[in-house]
Amino acid sequence: AQKITQTQPGMFVQEKEAVTLDCTYDTSDPSYGLFWYKQPSSGEMIFLIYQGSYDQQNATEGRYSLNFQKARKSANLVISASQLGDSAMYFCAVTGTGGFKTIFGAGTRLFVKA
Amino acid sequence: DGGITQSPKYLFRKEGQNVTLSCEQNLNHDAMYWYRQDPGQGLRLIYYSQIVNDFQKGDIAEGYSVSREKKESFPLTVTSAQKNPTAFYLCASSLRQGVQPQHFGDGTRLSIL
Repeated sequence: AQKITQTQPGMFVQEKEAVTLDCTYDTSDPSYGLFWYKQPSSGEMIFLIYQGSYDQQNATEGRYSLNFQKARKSANLVISASQLGDSAMYFCAVTGTGGFKTIFGAGTRLFVKA
Repeated sequence: DGGITQSPKYLFRKEGQNVTLSCEQNLNHDAMYWYRQDPGQGLRLIYYSQIVNDFQKGDIAEGYSVSREKKESFPLTVTSAQKNPTAFYLCASSLRQGVQPQHFGDGTRLSIL
């Protein structure tokens, strides 16, 4: 079974500062993928970043980076230089073998203050 | 532009009524998914389809049905057997089997009258 835990229901960050959104996971699959999605108030889900369980380096996509600590089963999202448009819900997800049973966490709502 | 179109954006259901949510994609993706989102919770998988004329139950399939007669279309029917259908429904797709959902629609919000 797979499980995602996001312990921060809400986070505040000052514009232009960096913020870390926490995610811990549990999976019995030897090979898995970790993902982060952004959901603005309009409702659509936007794929942000992917980390494979065997990737040696932490994934980065522009201002997004994934702090992957495999031994701790942690996959935190770091957003650098926060912008007002970053205010949204953020979901961490894990996909095991086969790629279909993607399990999502409950999400963290990020508020960026001007 | 390629993407996923869900309709309607808002839908109301009467007791004992079946309703169908539309999901169309022009991305030429093989795999499609339906998720349900409740307040304060992440997405839960209802059904997924890897290829035309094939679909599999997800974690919460009871009270729902789907079809995949065309590659571009994956409609979801919420039947009267689903006793708590009020939720936000998201359709997603991925290029091929074994890849996580890559594109999502804008969602349909279903409410009970």
